[in-house]
Amino acid sequence: SYVLTQPPSVSVAPGQTARITCGGNNIGSKSVHWYQQKPGQAPVLVVYDDSDRPSGIPERFSGSNSGNTATLTISRVEAGDEADYYCQVWDSSSDPLFGGGTKLTVL
Amino acid sequence: QVTLRESGPALVKPTQTLTLTCTFSGFSLSTSGMCVSWVRQPPGKALEWLALIDWDDDKYYSTSLKTRLTISKDTSKNQVVLTMTNMDPVDTATYYCARIGGSCYSQGWFDPWGQGTLVTVSS
Repeated sequence: SYVLTQPPSVSVAPGQTARITCGGNNIGSKSVHWYQQKPGQAPVLVVYDDSDRPSGIPERFSGSNSGNTATLTISRVEAGDEADYYCQVWDSSSDPLFGGGTKLTVL
Repeated sequence: QVTLRESGPALVKPTQTLTLTCTFSGFSLSTSGMCVSWVRQPPGKALEWLALIDWDDDKYYSTSLKTRLTISKDTSKNQVVLTMTNMDPVDTATYYCARIGGSCYSQGWFDPWGQGTLVTVSS
């Protein structure tokens, strides 16, 4: 079965750039979606179809996807960006699949 | 504005059947291309997809849980219902419903999500 691998944690100072990766076999051939989840809240879609942003999501959030790695990039990180981030694809069985999540800490 | 809200029991006993209701507004599940899904999240753990139902009443289930799950819809009430049989303490989780954007299958994304409802399985 398909597996998505995310680093458990990423730390970044305010104003710097955070990069959260999502690894999977030939993930570049799939559409990757990213969600932000703050403590006690439901997930929120921040990037869909690899690099598109829903309305209301700041331009600081961007995505890319190639080869075996998809990346969520958050520029000019703010304290309010501290959250768990999940990537999501559909696997070969046509089941939606989520990565294990990455906790972003703003130092 | 699209909104979804989950409702159901906060506590169920082992072996019981869980029934959750997702009540939504801002769209109709009778519109071609629409679908609603359930996702759960055990405390401190990752998201896990459970099931989806589309406008044509086609239903799809997680491969690992399909024998225990049933999803249905009541279009007139704007509701989607999920039942899960033979509940176990490992099923303790926050259960979310969400609309799927884009394609219902193969490429869709979950947006928006309901607030979630925590279900604890304990005797």
